[in-house]
This record gives sequence, structure tokens and C-alpha cells, in this order.
Amino acid sequence: AQTVTQSQPEMSVQEAETVTLSCTYDTSESDYYLFWYKQPPSRQMILVIRQEAYKQQNATENRFSVNFQKAAKSFSLKISDSQLGDAAMYFCAYRSEGAQKLVFGQGTRLTINP
Amino acid sequence: GAVVSQHPSRVICKSGTSVKIECRSLDFQATTMFWYRQFPKQSLMLMATSNEGSKATYEQGVEKDKFLINHASLTLSTLTVTSAHPEDSSFYICSASGGTRTRGDTQYFGPGTRLTVL
Repeated sequence: AQTVTQSQPEMSVQEAETVTLSCTYDTSESDYYLFWYKQPPSRQMILVIRQEAYKQQNATENRFSVNFQKAAKSFSLKISDSQLGDAAMYFCAYRSEGAQKLVFGQGTRLTINP
Repeated sequence: GAVVSQHPSRVICKSGTSVKIECRSLDFQATTMFWYRQFPKQSLMLMATSNEGSKATYEQGVEKDKFLINHASLTLSTLTVTSAHPEDSSFYICSASGGTRTRGDTQYFGPGTRLTVL
């Protein structure tokens, strides 16, 4: 079974600085999708970014970008120019090509210091 | 696009009663919907997956008779917690995927429902 590991329970960063959240996963499959979701205090899960495993190019969405290392099974999220509104719980998730379910990591709580 | 709503956002009920939570995809047709449960400071725990018009597939350890899931249309799924007890108190979240207006491989989440059973 696939597993997703987020080794940083908590992270903090100064406003306007850059922070990287780590995520590793374990799978024997070659085709899959990876996601980062954000859960702010409102508890609404918001899609931040998605990556298809067959694409070598790292996905980017404005200030959010990923470093996808397929061989190392690593999928880190970089947040540039951190803003107070970025404070949230961030979940890394994995989905097999042929499956419907998401496998979530334990989450990383990100605090933004003004 | 890809908006999912849940109703109610909060519900308080007495022990032994049943509670129904609705999950709607507002701007796309959801061929698949998912129900999660989240305990404080923890990750999401998948309870069941439902495909429109089919019976839900429950995860191991989830009581089918207690958590009734219906996915009768491409925009609506309901979770009914039957004979609720205090240990059922939790935050319940639905998600939806599918349709041509969204990426079929991506789940979009509702805002969640906080259930408190007295």
C-alpha cells in the first residue's frame, strides 16, 4: 500500500520569506498524481497544486511551486514571499492512476510570523 | 469553478437521533464523491467512496449501517449518521471529482460539517 510521509509536524517562517515543506511517498507504481492541499483555520480544504508523475516539469501556481523528484519519491512544496494568509495546515496527498482514493500525509502546520 | 458545498455547517443532536449531511457539487457533475472524517489535529480519514447510482464502498472499520451514504444524482450525495452517539462527534468533510469542467483526477472539497452529539 502507498504511504505518504510529512516529516515536519510544524514549520514557521517570517512574512515575505520563503519556506519549503517536505513530503515523501512510497509506491511501486509509475503513473500517479501528487497534490498539496491547504487547510486554514476555517477547515476548508483548498487545492494548492497538483503534479502528474509522468511530467518532468515541476508544477507552479503563482507563489507556490513544487520540487518533484520521482526517483527519490519526494514532492516538496515551496512557498515564496510568504503571506499571513498562507498560515494553515498543509497536506500532501497521493493518488494512483487507476484508483479514486487519496492517500494523505499527516500534515504540516505552517505559521507565518509578521 | 469546482465548488462543493455542504449543509449544515454545524449540527448538534441528541444521542440516539439521526443526522443527515448533504454534499453538493455546484458547478460540475461529480461522478464520484467521498466522505471523510477528521479528528482534531489529525489528517483526513476516508470513510467511503460513492459513485453516482451505485452503492458506496466503505473503508475497513466503517459501519455501513451507521453511516448511510446515498449518491442519487451527479450533484448530490448525503451522509446519514444513524442512532448517533457522542463518539460520533467529529468533523465530516465531503469531496467530489469528475465531470468535464474539472480535472477528473482531482478531488474538490466541501467546507465540512461539525457534528456534536450530546
